[in-house]
Amino acid sequence: DAGITQSPRHKVTETGTPVTLRCHQTENHRYMYWYRQDPGHGLRLIHYSYGVKDTDKGEVSDGYSVSRSKTEDFLLTLESATSSQTSVYFCASGQQGGALNEQFFGPGTRLTVL
Amino acid sequence: ILNVEQSPQSLHVQEGDSTNFTCSFPSSNFYALHWYRWETAKSPEALFVMTLNGDEKKKGRISATLNTKEGYSYLYIKGSQPEDSATYLCAFNPNRPGNMLTFGGGTRLMVKP
Repeated sequence: DAGITQSPRHKVTETGTPVTLRCHQTENHRYMYWYRQDPGHGLRLIHYSYGVKDTDKGEVSDGYSVSRSKTEDFLLTLESATSSQTSVYFCASGQQGGALNEQFFGPGTRLTVL
Repeated sequence: ILNVEQSPQSLHVQEGDSTNFTCSFPSSNFYALHWYRWETAKSPEALFVMTLNGDEKKKGRISATLNTKEGYSYLYIKGSQPEDSATYLCAFNPNRPGNMLTFGGGTRLMVKP
Protein backbone atom coordinates (compact mmCIF):
# COMPACT_ATOMS: atom_id res chain seq x y z
CA ASP A 1 0.00 0.00 0.00
CA ALA A 2 1.18 3.55 -0.79
CA GLY A 3 1.92 5.50 2.37
CA ILE A 4 -0.64 8.28 2.30
CA THR A 5 -1.95 9.82 5.46
CA GLN A 6 -4.37 12.61 6.10
CA SER A 7 -4.80 14.81 9.13
CA PRO A 8 -7.02 15.45 10.88
CA ARG A 9 -9.31 12.47 10.23
CA HIS A 10 -12.33 14.26 11.65
CA LYS A 11 -12.99 17.93 12.20
CA VAL A 12 -15.98 19.99 13.27
CA THR A 13 -15.73 23.72 12.75
CA GLU A 14 -17.93 26.78 12.53
CA THR A 15 -18.94 28.78 9.50
CA GLY A 16 -16.42 31.49 8.68
CA THR A 17 -13.41 29.88 10.29
CA PRO A 18 -10.31 28.88 8.30
CA VAL A 19 -9.52 25.17 8.04
CA THR A 20 -6.42 23.42 6.73
CA LEU A 21 -6.30 19.74 5.86
CA ARG A 22 -2.98 17.99 5.39
CA CYS A 23 -2.01 15.15 3.09
CA HIS A 24 1.33 13.42 3.48
CA GLN A 25 2.76 10.76 1.15
CA THR A 26 5.97 8.78 1.45
CA GLU A 27 6.07 7.39 -2.11
CA ASN A 28 7.83 10.32 -3.77
CA HIS A 29 4.88 10.62 -6.15
CA ARG A 30 4.93 13.66 -8.40
CA TYR A 31 1.16 14.13 -8.64
CA MET A 32 -1.14 14.83 -5.70
CA TYR A 33 -4.86 15.48 -5.70
CA TRP A 34 -7.62 16.68 -3.39
CA TYR A 35 -11.16 15.36 -3.91
CA ARG A 36 -14.41 15.79 -2.08
CA GLN A 37 -16.99 13.04 -1.85
CA ASP A 38 -20.66 13.87 -1.65
CA PRO A 39 -23.71 11.60 -2.03
CA GLY A 40 -24.64 11.16 -5.68
CA HIS A 41 -21.47 12.84 -6.95
CA GLY A 42 -18.76 10.24 -6.46
CA LEU A 43 -15.41 11.96 -6.13
CA ARG A 44 -14.94 15.47 -7.49
CA LEU A 45 -11.53 17.02 -8.01
CA ILE A 46 -10.87 20.22 -6.07
CA HIS A 47 -7.22 20.96 -6.88
CA TYR A 48 -4.23 18.99 -7.98
CA SER A 49 -0.46 19.38 -8.00
CA TYR A 50 2.02 18.22 -10.61
CA GLY A 51 5.12 19.17 -8.62
CA VAL A 52 6.45 21.31 -5.80
CA LYS A 53 4.81 24.73 -6.02
CA ASP A 54 2.91 23.63 -9.17
CA THR A 55 -0.82 23.42 -8.67
CA ASP A 56 -3.95 23.82 -10.74
CA LYS A 57 -7.70 23.96 -10.27
CA GLY A 58 -10.06 21.06 -10.57
CA GLU A 59 -13.79 20.86 -11.12
CA VAL A 60 -14.91 22.36 -7.77
CA SER A 61 -12.12 24.71 -6.72
CA ASP A 62 -14.16 27.73 -5.55
CA GLY A 63 -13.60 28.43 -1.85
CA TYR A 64 -10.47 26.27 -1.66
CA SER A 65 -6.76 26.92 -2.01
CA VAL A 66 -3.81 24.54 -1.93
CA SER A 67 -0.10 24.63 -1.38
CA ARG A 68 2.72 22.20 -2.01
CA SER A 69 6.03 23.29 -0.56
CA LYS A 70 7.50 19.77 -0.41
CA THR A 71 6.99 16.68 -2.56
CA GLU A 72 5.45 14.77 0.32
CA ASP A 73 2.96 17.36 1.59
CA PHE A 74 -0.16 18.82 -0.06
CA LEU A 75 -2.30 21.18 1.99
CA LEU A 76 -5.92 22.07 1.34
CA THR A 77 -7.21 25.30 2.90
CA LEU A 78 -10.74 26.53 3.29
CA GLU A 79 -10.20 30.24 3.88
CA SER A 80 -13.66 30.77 5.35
CA ALA A 81 -15.56 27.54 5.79
CA THR A 82 -19.21 27.33 4.72
CA SER A 83 -21.82 24.67 5.43
CA SER A 84 -21.71 23.61 1.76
CA GLN A 85 -18.13 22.48 2.37
CA THR A 86 -19.28 19.82 4.81
CA SER A 87 -18.01 16.69 3.11
CA VAL A 88 -15.50 13.88 3.19
CA TYR A 89 -12.19 14.94 1.68
CA PHE A 90 -9.82 12.45 0.07
CA CYS A 91 -6.25 13.05 -0.91
CA ALA A 92 -4.57 10.93 -3.57
CA SER A 93 -1.15 10.67 -5.11
CA GLY A 94 0.16 9.06 -8.28
CA GLN A 95 3.24 8.26 -10.30
CA GLN A 96 4.63 10.56 -12.93
CA GLY A 97 2.26 10.78 -15.88
CA GLY A 98 1.09 8.06 -18.22
CA ALA A 99 -2.16 6.24 -18.76
CA LEU A 100 -1.24 3.82 -16.01
CA ASN A 101 -1.27 6.59 -13.43
CA GLU A 102 -3.07 4.68 -10.75
CA GLN A 103 -3.99 7.00 -7.92
CA PHE A 104 -3.50 5.89 -4.33
CA PHE A 105 -5.94 7.32 -1.85
CA GLY A 106 -5.59 8.42 1.73
CA PRO A 107 -8.09 7.41 4.44
CA GLY A 108 -10.21 10.56 4.13
CA THR A 109 -11.05 13.48 6.40
CA ARG A 110 -14.62 14.02 7.50
CA LEU A 111 -15.26 17.76 7.83
CA THR A 112 -18.43 19.19 9.34
CA VAL A 113 -19.08 22.92 9.11
CA LEU A 114 -21.79 24.08 11.51
CA ILE B 1 -16.86 19.29 -17.14
CA LEU B 2 -16.67 15.73 -18.47
CA ASN B 3 -19.72 13.53 -18.20
CA VAL B 4 -19.00 10.14 -16.64
CA GLU B 5 -22.10 8.17 -15.75
CA GLN B 6 -22.49 4.88 -13.92
CA SER B 7 -25.54 2.69 -13.76
CA PRO B 8 -27.24 1.47 -11.79
CA GLN B 9 -26.62 3.67 -8.75
CA SER B 10 -27.16 0.72 -6.46
CA LEU B 11 -27.70 -2.99 -6.78
CA HIS B 12 -28.82 -5.68 -4.36
CA VAL B 13 -28.04 -9.28 -5.31
CA GLN B 14 -28.03 -12.65 -3.62
CA GLU B 15 -24.83 -14.52 -2.88
CA GLY B 16 -23.90 -16.55 -5.93
CA ASP B 17 -25.58 -14.24 -8.45
CA SER B 18 -23.52 -12.82 -11.27
CA THR B 19 -23.91 -9.14 -11.92
CA ASN B 20 -22.66 -6.36 -14.12
CA PHE B 21 -22.75 -2.60 -14.26
CA THR B 22 -21.93 0.12 -16.72
CA CYS B 23 -19.69 3.15 -16.97
CA SER B 24 -20.19 5.57 -19.85
CA PHE B 25 -17.69 8.26 -20.70
CA PRO B 26 -16.81 10.66 -23.53
CA SER B 27 -15.65 8.77 -26.61
CA SER B 28 -13.31 11.56 -27.72
CA ASN B 29 -9.86 12.35 -26.32
CA PHE B 30 -9.68 8.99 -24.56
CA TYR B 31 -6.52 8.01 -22.72
CA ALA B 32 -7.51 5.48 -20.06
CA LEU B 33 -10.41 4.20 -18.01
CA HIS B 34 -9.89 3.22 -14.38
CA TRP B 35 -12.03 1.04 -12.12
CA TYR B 36 -11.81 1.38 -8.36
CA ARG B 37 -13.34 -0.64 -5.56
CA TRP B 38 -14.39 1.33 -2.50
CA GLU B 39 -15.41 -0.43 0.68
CA THR B 40 -17.30 1.46 3.35
CA ALA B 41 -15.01 3.34 5.77
CA LYS B 42 -11.97 2.59 3.61
CA SER B 43 -10.16 4.30 0.74
CA PRO B 44 -10.80 3.55 -2.94
CA GLU B 45 -8.46 0.89 -4.30
CA ALA B 46 -7.56 0.43 -7.95
CA LEU B 47 -8.95 -2.64 -9.72
CA PHE B 48 -8.11 -2.08 -13.36
CA VAL B 49 -6.65 0.45 -15.75
CA MET B 50 -7.79 -0.03 -19.33
CA THR B 51 -6.29 1.75 -22.29
CA LEU B 52 -7.13 -0.04 -25.54
CA ASN B 53 -10.44 -0.48 -27.31
CA GLY B 54 -11.54 -4.07 -26.83
CA ASP B 55 -9.41 -4.45 -23.70
CA GLU B 56 -10.58 -7.08 -21.27
CA LYS B 57 -9.11 -7.32 -17.77
CA LYS B 58 -9.71 -9.98 -15.14
CA LYS B 59 -8.90 -10.32 -11.46
CA GLY B 60 -10.38 -13.40 -9.85
CA ARG B 61 -14.16 -13.29 -10.27
CA ILE B 62 -14.14 -9.67 -11.45
CA SER B 63 -13.61 -8.70 -15.06
CA ALA B 64 -14.05 -5.58 -17.16
CA THR B 65 -14.40 -4.74 -20.83
CA LEU B 66 -13.80 -1.51 -22.69
CA ASN B 67 -15.33 0.07 -25.79
CA THR B 68 -13.67 3.40 -26.47
CA LYS B 69 -15.46 4.00 -29.78
CA GLU B 70 -18.87 4.12 -28.15
CA GLY B 71 -17.63 5.26 -24.73
CA TYR B 72 -18.56 2.53 -22.29
CA SER B 73 -17.04 -0.06 -20.00
CA TYR B 74 -18.70 -2.97 -18.23
CA LEU B 75 -17.64 -4.46 -14.92
CA TYR B 76 -18.73 -8.06 -14.30
CA ILE B 77 -18.71 -10.00 -11.05
CA LYS B 78 -19.23 -13.73 -11.35
CA GLY B 79 -20.76 -15.56 -8.40
CA SER B 80 -21.03 -12.54 -6.09
CA GLN B 81 -19.93 -12.99 -2.49
CA PRO B 82 -20.79 -10.81 0.54
CA GLU B 83 -17.21 -9.55 0.58
CA ASP B 84 -17.81 -8.06 -2.89
CA SER B 85 -20.16 -5.54 -1.28
CA ALA B 86 -18.65 -2.15 -2.02
CA THR B 87 -19.04 0.88 -4.25
CA TYR B 88 -17.44 0.45 -7.65
CA LEU B 89 -16.15 3.65 -9.22
CA CYS B 90 -15.04 4.23 -12.76
CA ALA B 91 -12.82 7.16 -13.67
CA PHE B 92 -12.15 8.62 -17.10
CA ASN B 93 -8.60 9.74 -17.86
CA PRO B 94 -8.58 12.09 -20.85
CA ASN B 95 -5.50 12.72 -22.92
CA ARG B 96 -4.37 15.99 -21.35
CA PRO B 97 -1.70 17.16 -18.90
CA GLY B 98 -2.14 16.52 -15.19
CA ASN B 99 -3.54 13.02 -15.48
CA MET B 100 -6.74 14.22 -13.89
CA LEU B 101 -9.42 11.62 -13.45
CA THR B 102 -13.13 12.37 -13.69
CA PHE B 103 -15.05 9.92 -11.56
CA GLY B 104 -18.52 8.59 -12.09
CA GLY B 105 -21.00 8.57 -9.23
CA GLY B 106 -20.37 4.92 -8.47
CA THR B 107 -22.45 1.77 -8.30
CA ARG B 108 -23.10 0.56 -4.78
CA LEU B 109 -23.28 -3.24 -4.71
CA MET B 110 -24.77 -5.10 -1.76
CA VAL B 111 -24.52 -8.89 -1.75
CA LYS B 112 -26.87 -10.69 0.63
CA PRO B 113 -25.73 -14.00 2.10
